Order: sequence, then C-alpha cells, then structure tokens
Amino acid sequence: ETGVTQTPRHLVMGMTNKKSLKCEQHLGHNAMYWYKQSAKKPLELMFVYSLEERVENNSVPSRFSPECPNSSHLFLHLHTLQPEDSALYLCASSPGRYNEKLFFGSGTQLSVL
Amino acid sequence: TQLLEQSPQFLSIQEGENLTVYCNSSSVFSSLQWYRQEPGEGPVLLVTVVTGGEVKKLKRLTFQFGDARKDSSLHITAAQTGDTGLYLCAGSGSARQLTFGSGTQLTVLP
Repeated sequence: ETGVTQTPRHLVMGMTNKKSLKCEQHLGHNAMYWYKQSAKKPLELMFVYSLEERVENNSVPSRFSPECPNSSHLFLHLHTLQPEDSALYLCASSPGRYNEKLFFGSGTQLSVL
Repeated sequence: TQLLEQSPQFLSIQEGENLTVYCNSSSVFSSLQWYRQEPGEGPVLLVTVVTGGEVKKLKRLTFQFGDARKDSSLHITAAQTGDTGLYLCAGSGSARQLTFGSGTQLTVLP
C-alpha cells in the first residue's frame, strides 16, 4: 500500500465513450502526476499539478483532460479516445513539485476498442 | 531531450545467480532513482543516488552512480524469485523533471 489509490483498476471503452479515471492520495503530498505507460516505452509524463495549479502539459492530446479539485484528488477525463491510447495510466504524488520521490498508485489498465 | 537507455531489455536467470543491469545516458543528471514494478502494480522507489561514484546497498541490491553522473548500475547478488519485476531508472536533469528509461524486465526462475 503506497498511499495512492487509483480507480478503476481496469477499463474497457469504445472510441465514442466518455470515462474518468480517479486518483486519491493519503500522504499529505503537494504534487500529483499522471503518467502513461505503454509496452517497451519509457513512462510518459502527461500532467503535473502542484498545489492545485497545473504546471506542465507535455503536448498531450486534448482528448485527455485533467482535473485537480484539491491536493488529495486527481482525475483524468477521457473522451473520443483512439486504440493507440490503450495503456496503463499511473497516478503518482510527491511531497513537493521538485521533490522527485514519487509514490505511484497501482494504475488503471485502459483498453480502447 | 535527455534519454536513458536501459540494458538488457529482458533478463531471465536461475535463483541464486548474480546479475547486473545498466542505465546509460549521454546527459548528466543531478540524481538518479531506481524503481521496481511488479505485475499489476505501480513502480516503487528503491533508492536515490546523488553523488558521482556513490554506491548504495539495499540488502542484496547494490546501486552505483557513475563518476560523471551519466550512468548507473544495479547489481543483485543471489537473486530470489521475489526479485522478479520491471526495474526502471529515472534521472533528474537540469529542468528537475524526471526522465525514465524503458526498463529491464527481470525474471528469476526457481
């Protein structure tokens, strides 16, 4: 148990569906992240929130939309995804924005049909 | 763009054997981390090295940061089946953003 909880663990969706991934951290950290993990590729940083303000967006397609209502909760809203978006989506938190000691959740395995 | 290359990509060994995996870059990093990821779980931080030439030990695992802070190695002595997993290195560069390698998938057979 890392203190970072992600739901759902598995998600299958069609290209026309809208779904949301949820992440909650119980560690009192100030930064939260979304990463994408595809087979044989390095982890890709998608979004970073520090103290509820989004500070980075690595040119992620607009069909991915993050939301961070407070420092403990993070969402990733998905709409009109493509099959190549199928991957493991990992949420992480860290004590501060530049404290790179990351605590990861177990991830959501997403399949887009 | 800073890149980290990990080798080998896959490694399968018998229990009790020793192994070394590598993490290399042409860029200098201010620190380097190693994570282990087990099936169905997220990565878990094992160690952070920050000084060139630094060696850290975690039970049977020995981590070394290169003198020039461009590379790192992880050596496991007498591997156990519980060591099976994906080993990821991640470097912190000038922008303080973490760059991850693609990982080494280790399988330790009984």
